[in-house]
Amino acid sequence: ETGVTQSPTHLIKTRGQQVTLRCSSQSGHNTVSWYQQALGQGPQFIFQYYREEENGRGNFPPRFSGLQFPNYSSELNVNALELDDSALYLCASSPVDSFSGANVLTFGAGSRLTVL
Amino acid sequence: GQNIDQPTEMTATEGAIVQINCTYQTSGFNGLFWYQQHAGEAPTFLSYNVLDGLEEKGRFSSFLSRSKGYSYLLLKELQMKDSASYLCAVSDSNYQLIWGAGTKLIIKP
Repeated sequence: ETGVTQSPTHLIKTRGQQVTLRCSSQSGHNTVSWYQQALGQGPQFIFQYYREEENGRGNFPPRFSGLQFPNYSSELNVNALELDDSALYLCASSPVDSFSGANVLTFGAGSRLTVL
Repeated sequence: GQNIDQPTEMTATEGAIVQINCTYQTSGFNGLFWYQQHAGEAPTFLSYNVLDGLEEKGRFSSFLSRSKGYSYLLLKELQMKDSASYLCAVSDSNYQLIWGAGTKLIIKP
């Protein structure tokens, strides 16, 4: 079975630009969540998608948005990039809605974004 | 507010035992997870505790005390490949995962 794949692995943007990060979930998983991990910190929950709809969101502004497609893959879009957006962005998939109890997440290796 | 505390860094010797502690204060509790993250790689699942007590899985064990808001991850027979960050995460009342900053474990020969 294939794991979670993310693209691109690294990218550099300038302040004010927009970025789109992509994620393919593990086969058989229908829920995707996105996390931001700053250097030396734990992941911070951005949002979760289940059946193509956002069904949970962390403390991130509206310029962070996303999509989930019928094949369960997902995109994270960030508009008006700020320097503090520089981080590792992790995508994780799970077989069922994560908001229903013990649910093991399978993470991708992440997309490292640098904002200059 | 919600808070997960774990030591920033620990050092141990190959073949020894190390215990990584995690204390938490969250709005509700629906389980505690431990993940391992090697530098530049994805976090990978190690253990899940929702009831008090010890869960053993090979060289790794995880303990939970809900009344104390406390957990630990115990690693036995340490190997060089165990050098990684260990992340503690709690599922809160909304089943949202609250993550600690991680403990960087350094294994010395």
